Amino acid sequence: EAQVTQNPRYLITVTGKKLTVTCSQNMNHEYMSWYRQDPGLGLRQIYYSMNVEVTDKGDVPEGYKVSRKEKRNFPLILESPSPNQTSLYFCASSPNRNTGELFFGEGSRLTVL
Amino acid sequence: SQQGEEDPQALSIQEGENATMNCSYKTSINNLQWYRQNSGRGLVHLILIRSNEREKHSGRLRVTLDTSKKSSSLLITASRAADTASYFCATGGGADGLTFGKGTHLIIQP
Repeated sequence: EAQVTQNPRYLITVTGKKLTVTCSQNMNHEYMSWYRQDPGLGLRQIYYSMNVEVTDKGDVPEGYKVSRKEKRNFPLILESPSPNQTSLYFCASSPNRNTGELFFGEGSRLTVL
Repeated sequence: SQQGEEDPQALSIQEGENATMNCSYKTSINNLQWYRQNSGRGLVHLILIRSNEREKHSGRLRVTLDTSKKSSSLLITASRAADTASYFCATGGGADGLTFGKGTHLIIQP
């Protein structure tokens, strides 16, 4: 089944404890992206990647890192999480950057205490 | 960056009625997309309409696009309880990805 898989789906952590949210897609998509969704603010793009070893900042990259060593994986790294990073995170992928249509994962709800 | 804004923010209708939601955006576009999100779940792509198209259908969905007014509408006909969800329009695409509006929360009353 074609899908985007995120882990963990739910996580409660404490300020400053490094964490990684993994994202994997099995559709051989070139383009991958991370969004966060917050009440009243909608979805905002954190980082995106047009292909392996190519990543770029989105609208809200502060406090996050990403890597794209393999086509299928695009992990989101929070080196030192803070409470303002409490959010619902979505990974998404697209066959190519020009198509635009995104396939989303089920989301990772992160709480930073 | 381009951004769509949906209207209304919330909509409650009876099952079987039609639901219409609107999206306005600010700059010229190549295409506009609509997505659905069930509570706490990932977004699901519904339909894409290109800038040279005025109307598009997919099952019970009808999307219109008026580039002169920079607006789009999504019509869901013969609504069902399962249509209860948030609906987002999205513009952009390309390297910068999509920019989403804040969504319309649709509730279908049985």
